[in-house]
Amino acid sequence: SYVLTQPPSVSVAPGKTARITCGGDTIGSKSVHWYQQKPGQAPVLVIYYDSDRPSGIPERFSGSTSGNTATLTISGVEAGDEADYYCQVWDSSGDPLVFGGGTKLTVL
Amino acid sequence: QVQLQESGPGLVKPSETLSLTCTVSGGSFSTYYWSWIRQPAGKGLEWIGRIYTSGGTNYNPSLKSRVTMSIDTSKNQFSLRLTSVTAADTAVYYCARLHCSGTSCCLDYWGQGTLVTVSS
Repeated sequence: SYVLTQPPSVSVAPGKTARITCGGDTIGSKSVHWYQQKPGQAPVLVIYYDSDRPSGIPERFSGSTSGNTATLTISGVEAGDEADYYCQVWDSSGDPLVFGGGTKLTVL
Repeated sequence: QVQLQESGPGLVKPSETLSLTCTVSGGSFSTYYWSWIRQPAGKGLEWIGRIYTSGGTNYNPSLKSRVTMSIDTSKNQFSLRLTSVTAADTAVYYCARLHCSGTSCCLDYWGQGTLVTVSS
């Protein structure tokens, strides 16, 4: 089945830019979606179809894809952005919906 | 605003069947796929499967032999049955709406999740 690889953790100082990567074979040919999950809460969709933001998600959140890597970028990081972030794709063969292993974002 | 709410027993004995129901309010029920996802404590998300209002399903191959999903459009509800459970099935179970466009799908609305513990 399709595998998505994320770094286990990323740390960033407040006000700086955080970049969370998601690697997968030919991921550029797929649409990538990103979720934010705070402790004890359900995941929230923050980026869908590579770079679109759902209503209510700040413009500080953006997504991009290049080659075999998708990236979630959070500009001007705030303490409230501290959470686990998961990437996800839909793979029409095998296990259709695949999540990355998740990245814990720590705001220093 | 679309809202989803999981319900069902929080404790299931080993070898028995886990059964959960998700009730959906707000938005359109009949034009979407609906999914179940689970998350063991301290671990990542695992997709269990999806069901359409026609009753068509797709399941995670790793769980396919034990999973059945069903849907009741008259009640805006869909359900999950997982048979022969073990401690490895202990997790928070989420229901969610699957938004599909073109060749991709994402989960745009989630329930709050319900913890199911498998223990005697």
